[in-house]
Amino acid sequence: DIAVTQTPLSLSVTPGQPASISCKSSQSLLHSDGKTYLYWYLQKAGQPPQLLIYEVSNRFSGVPDRFSGSGSGTDFTLKISRVEAEDVGLYYCMQSTQPPKAFGQGTSLEIK
Amino acid sequence: EVQLVESGGGLVQPGGSLRLSCVASGFTFSSSSMNWVRQAPGKGPEWVSGITSGNAAVYADSVKDRFTVSRDNSKNTLFLQMNSLRAEDTAMYHCAKDRLLEVWGQGTMVTVSS
Repeated sequence: DIAVTQTPLSLSVTPGQPASISCKSSQSLLHSDGKTYLYWYLQKAGQPPQLLIYEVSNRFSGVPDRFSGSGSGTDFTLKISRVEAEDVGLYYCMQSTQPPKAFGQGTSLEIK
Repeated sequence: EVQLVESGGGLVQPGGSLRLSCVASGFTFSSSSMNWVRQAPGKGPEWVSGITSGNAAVYADSVKDRFTVSRDNSKNTLFLQMNSLRAEDTAMYHCAKDRLLEVWGQGTMVTVSS
């Protein structure tokens, strides 16, 4: 099974400053169909996770453009260009290239 | 609006069974793959099972041979039959749409305890 590891596990960021979260997989996430099935989710308090980024770098509908995803192979990054108060929560990456789908441990983002 | 509403959770003794349901609306359910994802209290999400539009099912090793996923396209409903339940199955169970898990329901809580 493919394992996914996130760092850091927690972040404290001043509003308006950037933030970055890393996600590394134990095997390449490049599928034989040429796509890379790496996703990013944000879970706010009391809510289920919500999709932010799909297939490494595509923002889901309604996601602000301050969120961006990048990477390839086994190394991926979620960046927030200017953190806002509403970005507080738990961020998870997930791979869906090979079953079973696997989530990272999560990164807790708090505002300073 | 795409909506997923789960039901069927509750308190069950170890070794018992439960059947969860997820009613979908706002999209063409029959054309969509669907998933069950659970989240134990204070833990991250764990994918449990998925079923394609063609009824092919996949399971996490932790639930294989105990859980069965199915769907009724005429009722826009996804099911999860859970047998031989264990304490470690205690979690909020969410259904989620497509490979992207692009929409999640609010979940139904399953507690396995004597």
